[in-house]
Amino acid sequence: DTAVSQTPKYLVTQMGNDKSIKCEQNLGHDTMYWYKQDSKKFLKIMFSYNNKELIINETVPNRFSPKSPDKAHLNLHINSLELGDSAVYFCASSQGWGLDEQYFGPGTRLTVT
Amino acid sequence: GEDVEQSLFLSVREGDSSVINCTYTDSSSTYLYWYKQEPGAGLQLLTYIFSNMDMKQDQRLTVLLNKKDKHLSLRIADTQTGDSAIYFCAEGFGDGGSQGNLIFGKGTKLSVKP
Repeated sequence: DTAVSQTPKYLVTQMGNDKSIKCEQNLGHDTMYWYKQDSKKFLKIMFSYNNKELIINETVPNRFSPKSPDKAHLNLHINSLELGDSAVYFCASSQGWGLDEQYFGPGTRLTVT
Repeated sequence: GEDVEQSLFLSVREGDSSVINCTYTDSSSTYLYWYKQEPGAGLQLLTYIFSNMDMKQDQRLTVLLNKKDKHLSLRIADTQTGDSAIYFCAEGFGDGGSQGNLIFGKGTKLSVKP
């Protein structure tokens, strides 16, 4: 059983388009996250939601908007895509708010042409 | 600012020990983590160490922390071909917890030759 799943796995799109990446976890966790991994493999947190409430919102352009319809889902919407948005995006979840082990999804490779 | 550095590549022979090193700049981290990423898969937590500990051993894995030098290492004993992956070092911050914010290094690609 997949603990944290993301769709799509690959996404190729043109500049200026609007796209969404979906994330679902079936672990019953309270907290979910979005990370961006750039071409140099550096992983940086973008957002964190705890019980559907935004907890962490790092310096991310307004074009990125997370949406959490329920505790098990945290989707990432990106408007007006730019070349620099090309990266692998990882979703993760953890049981609580703190040091709990984070479970990561397989990642979504976004390529903007 | 916060920064976590790792060497990008490490190549070892099967059966040898592997040592992956990591240095970090922010000494306020509460926990330090090692994650493993296999091709096409997500990040898997391997082990972690509380910042006031020096060493932690878990089967083939040994984590050493030198807080004075801000140096973390992961030793894998009897390395197997299945250990080939990218290993990420990460810091966690916060009062009594990471608050979900992890700063990752760029990852070290470990190649194990038969």
